[in-house]
Amino acid sequence: AQSVTQPDIHITVSEGASLELRCNYSYGATPYLFWYVQSPGQGLQLLLKYFSGDTLVQGIKGFEAEFKRSQSSFNLRKPSVHWSDAAEYFCAVGAGGNKLVFGAGTILRVKS
Amino acid sequence: DAGVIQSPRHEVTEMGQEVTLRCKPISGHNSLFWYRQTMMRGLELLIYFNNNVPIDDSGMPEDRFSAKMPNASFSTLKIQPSEPRDSAVYFCASSLADRSSHEQYFGPGTRLTVT
Repeated sequence: AQSVTQPDIHITVSEGASLELRCNYSYGATPYLFWYVQSPGQGLQLLLKYFSGDTLVQGIKGFEAEFKRSQSSFNLRKPSVHWSDAAEYFCAVGAGGNKLVFGAGTILRVKS
Repeated sequence: DAGVIQSPRHEVTEMGQEVTLRCKPISGHNSLFWYRQTMMRGLELLIYFNNNVPIDDSGMPEDRFSAKMPNASFSTLKIQPSEPRDSAVYFCASSLADRSSHEQYFGPGTRLTVT
């Protein structure tokens, strides 16, 4: 069965510093992979997605993620974090029948 | 374009009462998903529909929960009777189910408090 692991429950970075959020997935075939962001009191917003092709994908708000099949990873990165990036981030993998399997989420705190 | 619309945004009710949550998916989308989010259990898929037909309801916690999708533009999630442990944020999401896309678009959620 498909699964997603986000090893870090909380991460704190200083404003202007770089960010990497980790995501590992378990899936037998080529996965569809997603990153979503949830600000407090809001729904989940799609940041970026990987279906096929270039393994480095660009998303909104300056985020990017790299698919590494050999490591079963899809880590999210941003070169310079802004205070408005503080939120919870969810990695997800496409399962059968259009379902998504979500990770437990990583809460990002930004220090000024 | 309007996104996924959910109502009400907040619901406070007493234990034993019936609760109905509503969702209007994005026009043209043919898959609809109901999720529940709590601190303890995270984001859980309750049920999803393709073309108004329930496909997988294995996440529905018990018979007190039921969901319907009478047409392509409306779905309800009903809890009867409600219990304090049902307190959570309930999200509806929709997607266009085709070979190339699994991406789902989420509504703002309904925060349910059962006292």
